[in-house]
Amino acid sequence: AQSVTQLDSQVPVFEEAPVELRCNYSSSVSVYLFWYVQYPNQGLQLLLKYLSGSTLVESINGFEAEFNKSQTSFHLRKPSVHISDTAEYFCAVSDDTGFQKLVFGTGTRLLVSP
Amino acid sequence: GAVVSQHPSRVICKSGTSVKIECRSLDFQATTMFWYRQFPKKSLMLMATSNEGSKATYEQGVEKDKFLINHASLTLSTLTVTSAHPEDSSFYICSARGGDRDNSPLHFGNGTRLTVT
Repeated sequence: AQSVTQLDSQVPVFEEAPVELRCNYSSSVSVYLFWYVQYPNQGLQLLLKYLSGSTLVESINGFEAEFNKSQTSFHLRKPSVHISDTAEYFCAVSDDTGFQKLVFGTGTRLLVSP
Repeated sequence: GAVVSQHPSRVICKSGTSVKIECRSLDFQATTMFWYRQFPKKSLMLMATSNEGSKATYEQGVEKDKFLINHASLTLSTLTVTSAHPEDSSFYICSARGGDRDNSPLHFGNGTRLTVT
């Protein structure tokens, strides 16, 4: 079984500052890793994913995450945030047999202020 | 891109009544859909896996008689909360796998906010 830990429930940051949202996972098998973003009263949107290959993955809106197997981490980073990045961010893991079940972390609320 | 439509977005019902939530894949066929429940400031909890043409698979601790799931076609799954109580108030989200392969990506609906008074 897999589990995900997002230690920070809320991360306040000023606009144009860098941010890192932490995610650690636990699994006895190889995994796929995901970051999803949720805006108020909406479903989840896939931000980026790691399946295999390069350990650094990027999204189209400037976010990136790096898979670190030794530290069992998949932290999300952005060098310069915008007000519009304010949202809830969920890290998720599934085993590498497929996307049958996603196990989500408890989420991190990113609050960007001017 | 693939779109999952969930309806209604919000519903308020009285205790003891039943509520049906629909999840539709608009431009793709989904043999498998998933239903999640999200509590305030909590993660998403997988409730059940909905398989077209067969019975849903419920996660441990989820009452199958209370949360009825029907996946009658390749584009529609419904979740019916029967005899709703205030503790059933929550945000329910569905997702659908956009393809037949096990590693096909998941697409999420916009969720349904259920309030039971």
